[in-house]
Amino acid sequence: AQSVAQPEDQVNVAEGNPLTVKCTYSVSGNPYLFWYVQYPNRGLQFLLKYITGDNLVKGSYGFEAEFNKSQTSFHLKKPSALVSDSALYFCAVRENQGGKLIFGQGTELSVKP
Amino acid sequence: EAGVAQSPRYKIIEKRQSVAFWCNPISGHATLYWYQQILGQGPKLLIQFQNNGVVDDSQLPKDRFSAERLKGVDSTLKIQPAKLEDSAVYLCASSLDLLAGRTGELFFGEGSRLTVL
Repeated sequence: AQSVAQPEDQVNVAEGNPLTVKCTYSVSGNPYLFWYVQYPNRGLQFLLKYITGDNLVKGSYGFEAEFNKSQTSFHLKKPSALVSDSALYFCAVRENQGGKLIFGQGTELSVKP
Repeated sequence: EAGVAQSPRYKIIEKRQSVAFWCNPISGHATLYWYQQILGQGPKLLIQFQNNGVVDDSQLPKDRFSAERLKGVDSTLKIQPAKLEDSAVYLCASSLDLLAGRTGELFFGEGSRLTVL
């Protein structure tokens, strides 16, 4: 069965510092991996995806994520955090042969000035 | 381009009452999804439509939840009777088609927050 885990409920970083939000997954076949962001009282917004190809994928708002097959991870990164990046981040996985899009429980990112 | 529209944004009801949520997807999007997001958890798929047909409703509690998309455009999700554990945000999402939904992004509405007292 597919599953995805975000081991940190909350990540705190100072503005200007690099940030990492962790995600690990489990699927039977090849994974399709996604990151979404949710601002307060808003719906989820797509950030980036990994389907195939280069392990480092770039997305919206300067975010990037690295697919690591051996560690079954897909961590979200940004070189320099902004206060406006503060939000709830969700990792999601789908098995490439079909199946549901499974979301992690979310990680709250707080960026302080 | 207009996004996914949902209403109402907020609803408070007592247990055993009924409630209905409405969703209008992005124009031209054939695939529509209803997700339940309980506080502190990630969204969970309740039902997925392709046009007016159901693709997946395996996680829909069919004894109390129902959903329809009669003309293949907008959709309604109903809960009757509501239980305390139904308190959640109900998110509607859409994608151009099934393939786009599997490999690309889903477009989410702002959600309908339900509180059951």
